[in-house]
Amino acid sequence: AQSVTQLDSQVPVFEEAPVELRCNYSSSVSVYLFWYVQYPNQGLQLLLKYLSGSTLVESINGFEAEFNKSQTSFHLRKPSVHISDTAEYFCAVSEGGKLIFGQGTELSVKP
Amino acid sequence: GAGVSQSPSNKVTEKGKDVELRCDPISGHTALYWYRQSLGQGLEFLIYFQGNSAPDKSGLPSDRFSAERTGGSVSTLTIQRTQQEDSAVYLCASSLGGQPNEKLFFGSGTQLSVL
Repeated sequence: AQSVTQLDSQVPVFEEAPVELRCNYSSSVSVYLFWYVQYPNQGLQLLLKYLSGSTLVESINGFEAEFNKSQTSFHLRKPSVHISDTAEYFCAVSEGGKLIFGQGTELSVKP
Repeated sequence: GAGVSQSPSNKVTEKGKDVELRCDPISGHTALYWYRQSLGQGLEFLIYFQGNSAPDKSGLPSDRFSAERTGGSVSTLTIQRTQQEDSAVYLCASSLGGQPNEKLFFGSGTQLSVL
C-alpha cells in the first residue's frame, strides 16, 4: 500500500521569502502525484498534479513541484510567497482509484 | 448541483449514539470518496465507491463504520456507538470517472463532535 510522508507539520516564513514543502511517497512504481490546498475556512482544492512527461509541474499562482523518481519525492516550492498563500497543503499519491494523502503542512506567511 | 454538498455541517452527539452523515456528489460524477480529517492525522481514507462496483472499504477503522451509496448518487456514512476518538471532520469528495489521474472535488465537510 502507498503511503505519503510530509516531514514538516508547520512551516512559518516571511512574505516574499522562498519556501519548500517536502513530500515523499513510498513506492517507486508509476504513480500520479498531487498537491491539494486548504485555505482558511475553505474546502480542499487541487493545486497541481503530476501525471507523466515533464517532471516539473506548475500551478497558476506560482507554485511548482518536481517529480523525482529516484528519491520518491514531490516537493512543492515557491520562490516568493504572499500572505494569501497561508493555508494547509496536502501531498497525495494515487492508489488504484483513490488518493492517499499525507499529514499536511501548515504554511504560515508572516508580514 | 454546483459542488459537493455535505450535511449537516456540524454534528454534536453523545458517546454511544449513532450518527449519519450525508453527501451529495456533483451530478454525473461516478466516483465518491469519504475521508476523515483529524488534527495531526492528515486526511485518512475511509471508503470509495465507483459506479456499480463493490466499494473499497479498506480504510474503515472499525465495524462501527459503514457507508452506502443509493442510486449511484447520494451517500450516507453511518457511525454506530460513537466514541470520542471519532471526533473529526468527515469529508466527502467526488470525481467524474474515478480514474487515478482525475481531480477530486471536495465538500466542506461535517464537523463531528462526540461528547
